[in-house]
Amino acid sequence: DQQVKQNSPSLSVQEGRISILNCDYTNSMFDYFLWYKKYPAEGPTFLISISSIKDKNEDGRFTVFLNKSAKHLSLHIVPSQPGDSAVYFCAASALLNTDKLIFGTGTRLQVFP
Amino acid sequence: NAGVTQTPKFQVLKTGQSMTLQCAQDMNHEYMSWYRQDPGMGLRLIHYSVGAGITDQGEVPNGYNVSRSTTEDFPLRLLSAAPSQTSVYFCASSYSTGNPGAQYFGPGTRLLVL
Repeated sequence: DQQVKQNSPSLSVQEGRISILNCDYTNSMFDYFLWYKKYPAEGPTFLISISSIKDKNEDGRFTVFLNKSAKHLSLHIVPSQPGDSAVYFCAASALLNTDKLIFGTGTRLQVFP
Repeated sequence: NAGVTQTPKFQVLKTGQSMTLQCAQDMNHEYMSWYRQDPGMGLRLIHYSVGAGITDQGEVPNGYNVSRSTTEDFPLRLLSAAPSQTSVYFCASSYSTGNPGAQYFGPGTRLLVL
């Protein structure tokens, strides 16, 4: 049973436009959410996170939105750049078990000129 | 700092063989973990450690053993490799538990079991 789902395996966006990556979760005990970015042949790198007490967190071009009632979060990248082309993983953890990260299956983003 | 290092980068095993995937970090991190990444499955936690001498199971621990005798090293052992263990393995570390966003990942070990 996939507790964290990324239903879009791929996304293609033109440079300068907004990229929106989506993530859904089923476990209501999750209260901390993260996005990781992964280039080929490299390990994932942490991008941005959000706690369940917030509904938005912004860091430069990256903004994460959390809708707890819908159990949905999204990552917005504005403006998108070719260097953003990578696989993006959504991950979640529960307050009582922060050591265990549950990852989604990933969305491959391609930003073209 | 070298960060999180993993060896080997690539390994081919025959079914039934054993091997150890090495992971080391030089950041004095308390928390270390092992994940496997499979197509369509994302990253799944195998085992983790919150400090030297302390380990615990993740989502998919069967077929893998770990130990943590030092802060720096967290090897993952496959006692009898199976084709289902063909995957890319990532080691990660962070300064402390309760801070999952600060996990640093190694470059990965690609394992093929024939």
